[in-house]
Amino acid sequence: DAKTTQPTSMDCAEGRAANLPCNHSTISGNEYVYWYRQIHSQGPQYIIHGLKNNETNEMASLIITEDRKSSTLILPHATLRDTAVYYCIVRFLTDKLIFGTGTRLQVFP
Amino acid sequence: GAGVSQSPRYKVAKRGQDVALRCDPISGHVSLFWYQQALGQGPEFLTYFQNEAQLDKSGLPSDRFFAERPEGSVSTLKIQRTQQEDSAVYLCASSLAQRASNQPQHFGDGTRLSIL
Repeated sequence: DAKTTQPTSMDCAEGRAANLPCNHSTISGNEYVYWYRQIHSQGPQYIIHGLKNNETNEMASLIITEDRKSSTLILPHATLRDTAVYYCIVRFLTDKLIFGTGTRLQVFP
Repeated sequence: GAGVSQSPRYKVAKRGQDVALRCDPISGHVSLFWYQQALGQGPEFLTYFQNEAQLDKSGLPSDRFFAERPEGSVSTLKIQRTQQEDSAVYLCASSLAQRASNQPQHFGDGTRLSIL
């Protein structure tokens, strides 16, 4: 699986959009980009995934660049409950998820 | 609907004791995964089941770790002769589809194991 690079930490004001970047410059053509988050003392929570097109669901939007070497997870209106560690994972039809250390997002009032 | 359920939520054991951790996956989910998460780190893969078959156990750190899923539903992760380095959160995840698919995995809240 391709390696991903994420900032260690980010801050965001409540009510504003949180934009979390992820670099995956060695991604291959059939690898998907997944995002999970982990709130303190809970298991990872699936957010969204995509291949090449931008994706949106009730939780977030995923923007993947045309060359697919990077992506951005967007939480449109961050709340205090969105404070968590966010993991970007690149995966191709493999069974296991390979987590990095993620981005610690702190949403402040 | 019910998510992935793990028990116990917390387990404290003395070094050298055996422990058993239980995972109840989402009903109907074919695939089941175990991960280990050390403090401050991301989860690391341990093993994978498709129904009752253990298809990948490449992440199990030693032969003291054993997992089973005899009827293709509930799974148990057993650690024999526990050591202090086994202290971690053990996470279980399940997925609807069979292997090599892009279906997302859904996680339980884990069992926090502390070895004294």
